[in-house]
Amino acid sequence: KNEVEQSPQNLTAQEGEFITINCSYSVGISALHWLQQHPGGGIVSLFMLSSGKKKHGRLIATINIQEKHSSLHITASHPRDSAVYICAVREFGNEKLTFGTGTRLTIIP
Amino acid sequence: DAGVIQSPRHEVTEMGQEVTLRCKPISGHNSLFWYRQTMMRGLELLIYFNNNVPIDDSGMPEDRFSAKMPNASFSTLKIQPSEPRDSAVYFCASSFQLNEKLFFGSGTQLSVL
Repeated sequence: KNEVEQSPQNLTAQEGEFITINCSYSVGISALHWLQQHPGGGIVSLFMLSSGKKKHGRLIATINIQEKHSSLHITASHPRDSAVYICAVREFGNEKLTFGTGTRLTIIP
Repeated sequence: DAGVIQSPRHEVTEMGQEVTLRCKPISGHNSLFWYRQTMMRGLELLIYFNNNVPIDDSGMPEDRFSAKMPNASFSTLKIQPSEPRDSAVYFCASSFQLNEKLFFGSGTQLSVL
């Protein structure tokens, strides 16, 4: 069974700070997803990646397949970035996603 | 495109009643997923379809749960009879193909009293 661990569980930062959220998993994967869930409950897929790095606006996601680790970075953080960020991984030959427990991010103005 | 549409947004029912949750995937998407989210267990996959065919329902908790996808634009998740422990947020998601980016609906908040 693939274990997906995220750190930190909770993160509070000041507006403008650089944010890093980490995700580690235990078995080989074909893809990793980063999801964002806002206080209203809706879930948005931010990134799906299987190698290297992806960037979208102020968000950057990286993955190191050898180390079984991914990071989500937010530059120039803003209060609207406040949300729960969830990492999910897909194992080879299996369409199921295994989800991390999420990181609750709060950005203070 | 309106995105993945789920209904109802909220459902409150009494134990023993039948509950039907509905999902309309994004037009052209071939894969549809039903997830459940609780505080205790986080997000869990219940079942997924590809080209309207159920591929893996091993996440369905028990026989009280059933899901159908009669055509490419509609899916239902039914709980009969419902129990208080079924209270959760149920999300539907779709993707163009398996292994591609997921698009989530707004979820159905289910409360079984």
